[in-house]
Amino acid sequence: DIQMTQSPSSLSASVGDRVTITCRASQGIRNDLGWFQQRPGKAPKRLIYAASSLQSGVPSRFSGSGSGTEFTLTISNLQPEDFATYYCLQYLNYPFTFGPGTKVDIK
Amino acid sequence: QVQLVQSGAEVKKPGASVKVSCKASEYTFIGYYIHWVRQAPGQGLEWMGWINPNSGGTNYAQKFQGRVTMTRDTSISTIYLELSRLRSDDTAVYYCARVGGIYYHFDPWGQGTLVTVSS
Repeated sequence: DIQMTQSPSSLSASVGDRVTITCRASQGIRNDLGWFQQRPGKAPKRLIYAASSLQSGVPSRFSGSGSGTEFTLTISNLQPEDFATYYCLQYLNYPFTFGPGTKVDIK
Repeated sequence: QVQLVQSGAEVKKPGASVKVSCKASEYTFIGYYIHWVRQAPGQGLEWMGWINPNSGGTNYAQKFQGRVTMTRDTSISTIYLELSRLRSDDTAVYYCARVGGIYYHFDPWGQGTLVTVSS
């Protein structure tokens, strides 16, 4: 199975900050990676697909980059509604595997 | 709008089975795979597998092989997840999600079903 790691596991930030989350795969996954946001008590919502493509309707302050084994999610100009947990997901091989998550909370 | 509505919370004893439903509406039911993802309390997301509502074909994560069964009833546009021989570490919220396209668009998701396994 492909193992996914994320760093940091949590971070504190302020409204207006720029935040970067890193996701690493245990083997190359081309760009078969998505980023999800999950707010407490809610189902996940996909933000990014194919590593860097923005899902329709998602604000442009979210961006993704990377290929192979290292990927990043960047949130520029952090907004109050962005405080949530973020997960990466590889969908190159079965079983699909999620990263352990990065919790973004208010400083 | 396109929607997945899941059945209500369940409480089961260890060793029992649970069957969770996921009813689809406002789209062509057989046109999209349904994936199941679970989340233990305070933990991350775990992918369990998928079902093709058209053929009934399935693909389960190895971890759940032998204990999980995904089925569908096309007459009522409903997918079922059955998990047997429940253990306490199966306590989790179980989500269904419609998945389509070459980029595996997970959208929408069901609201989640909490399954609690406790003696």
